[in-house]
Amino acid sequence: DTEVTQTPKHLVMGMTNKKSLKCEQHMGHRAMYWYKQKAKKPPELMFVYSYEKLSINESVPSRFSPECPNSSLLNLHLHALQPEDSALYLCASSQDAVSRNIQYFGAGTRLSVL
Amino acid sequence: AQKVTQAQTEISVVEKEDVTLDCVYETRDTTYYLFWYKQPPSGELVFLIRRNSFDEQNEISGRYSWNFQKSTSSFNFTITASQVVDSAVYFCALSSLTGANNLFFGTGTRLTVIP
Repeated sequence: DTEVTQTPKHLVMGMTNKKSLKCEQHMGHRAMYWYKQKAKKPPELMFVYSYEKLSINESVPSRFSPECPNSSLLNLHLHALQPEDSALYLCASSQDAVSRNIQYFGAGTRLSVL
Repeated sequence: AQKVTQAQTEISVVEKEDVTLDCVYETRDTTYYLFWYKQPPSGELVFLIRRNSFDEQNEISGRYSWNFQKSTSSFNFTITASQVVDSAVYFCALSSLTGANNLFFGTGTRLTVIP
């Protein structure tokens, strides 16, 4: 089973709202990732968690706040977003955060910021 | 620096034609990994293949085949007898130690298979 589950599938929020994206995997993976993908562009890495610790933050604005409550769950808390933050947000997981490992992706959350 | 180039932005083929998607990469590492992912309209990135830098054997999986050539830094992907379900965006990606183990994606090739 190589399933990564993301909820919600779609989200519309205003610029003053607070919302959260959720990601779950039950493959025993110890690395989890958040990516942002704009239309017709490749995914861009936002955050990497390795063994539940934040290991990479690719200079993401503080209005995006990641959280890894346990090895199976990854959240992305959103606050005071801008319309340009509208994108597909993808979660991925891998056995651990080394280059040989395959990253398995969820179906993503399509976010629209009004 | 890690870089992946997919020069073909969009390709259209008629069903049952063969199609090759090109991927050229740059890295200074001697150990690295190359990947292909498929992204259908639903949005999920589906893993297709991983190849390490020491294994230059070509691989075939059903209608899919991959040609890895270190001499030209290329990792091309061929779909034989294309089907409408193959319509998607295909990404080639590179990962290595000096790239902090991150996955560097090419810009993707949008394949449309016309029935």
